[in-house]
Amino acid sequence: QKEVEQNSGPLSVPEGAIASLNCTYSDRGSQSFFWYRQYSGKSPELIMFIYSNGDKEDGRFTAQLNKASQYVSLLIRDSQPSDSATYLCAVPDSGGYQKVTFGIGTKLQVIP
Amino acid sequence: SQTIHQWPATLVQPVGSPLSLECTVEGTSNPNLYWYRQAAGRGLQLLFYSVGIGQISSEVPQNLSASRPQDRQFILSSKKLLLSDSGFYLCAWSPTANQPQHFGDGTRLSIL
Repeated sequence: QKEVEQNSGPLSVPEGAIASLNCTYSDRGSQSFFWYRQYSGKSPELIMFIYSNGDKEDGRFTAQLNKASQYVSLLIRDSQPSDSATYLCAVPDSGGYQKVTFGIGTKLQVIP
Repeated sequence: SQTIHQWPATLVQPVGSPLSLECTVEGTSNPNLYWYRQAAGRGLQLLFYSVGIGQISSEVPQNLSASRPQDRQFILSSKKLLLSDSGFYLCAWSPTANQPQHFGDGTRLSIL
């Protein structure tokens, strides 16, 4: 059984601070990693994906991947109240299985 | 560009009634298609996925079934709904499992 672990939170940060969201995964063969944002009552929305070790930046978002440690993180700089949502980490299963394992999600609260 | 349509947005059904939820994708061919359920305050539970017409993989044995009668159409069904079937049902597509999934707007199902 593939596992993707996230702290469910809530993670509270003040407006303007950096929010750091973490995710560990069990499948050593996984090659791609996705971050989704889900507002309450809405469907998940893709915000970042990363395939290679290191950092990937897109606006205020930075995804960090360390395959040796089986660890992927999402940093949100200059956090805004509109960033308050649940952030889901998703990792496709390796071995030819055409499915993705999602973490339970971390609830982020940005305090004005 | 690709779009995914899911309907209805909300549904209230009595226990023991049948169910049919439909999902269609536009702008792509031979997508991977997925059905998830999300209980209130919980993570995403994969129910079914399909890599082609007539090919259905079931992740959770229960009173639900899925069908893919056309390349870009995915249907979730039940003959008799249970109270435990309540939840937020999400359809998603991706070109392959190693590429990000994109979600429909979801159906909120309440069983009375």
